[in-house]
This record gives sequence, C-alpha cells and structure tokens, in this order.
Amino acid sequence: QLQLQESGPGLVKPSETLSLTCTVSGGSISTSSYYWDWIRQPPGKGLEWIGSIYYSGSTYYNPSLRSRVTISVDTSKNQFSLKLRSVTAADTAVYYCARTRRDCSGGSCVRIGAFDIWGQGTVVTVSS
Amino acid sequence: SYELTQPPSVSVSPGQTARITCSGDALSKQYVYWYQQKPGQAPVLVIYKDSERPSGIPERFSGSSSGTTVTLTISGVQAEDEADYYCQSADSSGTWVFGGGTKLTVL
Repeated sequence: QLQLQESGPGLVKPSETLSLTCTVSGGSISTSSYYWDWIRQPPGKGLEWIGSIYYSGSTYYNPSLRSRVTISVDTSKNQFSLKLRSVTAADTAVYYCARTRRDCSGGSCVRIGAFDIWGQGTVVTVSS
Repeated sequence: SYELTQPPSVSVSPGQTARITCSGDALSKQYVYWYQQKPGQAPVLVIYKDSERPSGIPERFSGSSSGTTVTLTISGVQAEDEADYYCQSADSSGTWVFGGGTKLTVL
C-alpha cells in the first residue's frame, strides 16, 4: 500500500528557507498516473494548495506562493521536495504531501484534483 | 482570487441527514472534491468528481451538483462523522482551491 511520509526541520527562522521532503513508499513515484503535491494548513485554519510536480519534473504552483516556492523530484530516491524561501510567521503550518491523479484520453492529459493519499503531516514553526 | 464558500458550521442529531454546501462561480464547469478531517489527522477524500465515492467510504456519503453550488450529503449521520469537511475545486488557471471548511457537529 502506497504511503507518504514528510520529513524536515520543525523550526525555521524568519527570512530563511523552509525545506521538506516527502518519501514515497510502497510504490514508484515514476508513474504516469499521478502528480505529487504539497498542501499546508496554518493552525486552526483551512487548507492551502502549494504546488504539484510530475515525475518528469513538470511543476504547477499556487500563484500566491509561486515567487517563493520550488518543488523538485528525485526519482532515484522516490522522493519529492519543497523549498519555501523568505519565510515569515504566516508560513507556520502543518505541511502535507499528497498524491493526485493524472488522466489521459484522446491524446491529452489532465490533472484530476482528487488528493487520494496524504502523508501524516509535519508541523513547521517559523520563529526566531 | 477564486473563492469557494462553505457554511462555518452544521449541526445534526444522530441518524439525521447533514447537508454541507459549497458555492463558487466556476463550479458548473469544474469538478468538486470533498474531504473529511478529524482533529490531528490528515484529510481523507470522501467524494471525487462531484459525486463519486472512493472505495472504503461508506454509502451514507454522497455528493450532488446544481449550477454553482455543490452539496455533500451525509445520510444517517453517526457520531464518528463529526469532523471538519472541506470542498476543493480548480480556478480557471488550474490552481487547486479549497473552501474554508465546515465543522459538522453531531448533537
């Protein structure tokens, strides 16, 4: 059964870079059927999509975070990663990695936004 | 920016039917997905493509769509259904957007 596990520092200083990794186990990240995503949830608040990556390296980002975010993939390690630069207290949140589907038909492929598998989440606090 | 609007809270007694709505201008053109989140846990997908139910999700969970409003219906609500529920869809640029969430209280 496919599982996702986030890892990384739980405390980041303001203005520095938040770096997290999601390890995929029980299946390959190099599949044509899925995208791999990051989503976050500030304390007591709702969910915010950060971005997606395909195993080939194609990325999609939330415009509100695009200038500060980089998502990358390492297929040899079955991992994908998130870097968020110039963090502030507003970036304090539980960060989740998740999987979404990619459907192809008639020669074209589309992203299906069903986040069907999630990691357990990791708490990141931005504080000096 | 595109917004999905949900009621902050819904309350029902056990055995009754709970209906949670989600409104957005583009919902007549985009699929909606619903998630259940219990305290301290990751969200769980309960409805995809407006009305499809993933395997393992009880039949009492259903989804429907009418114009720019979609509804998650939980029939015969049980105590274990008490949770936050989030709708999710896409804006015109393909950015995934979540609703603000609805806290379902089982009285």
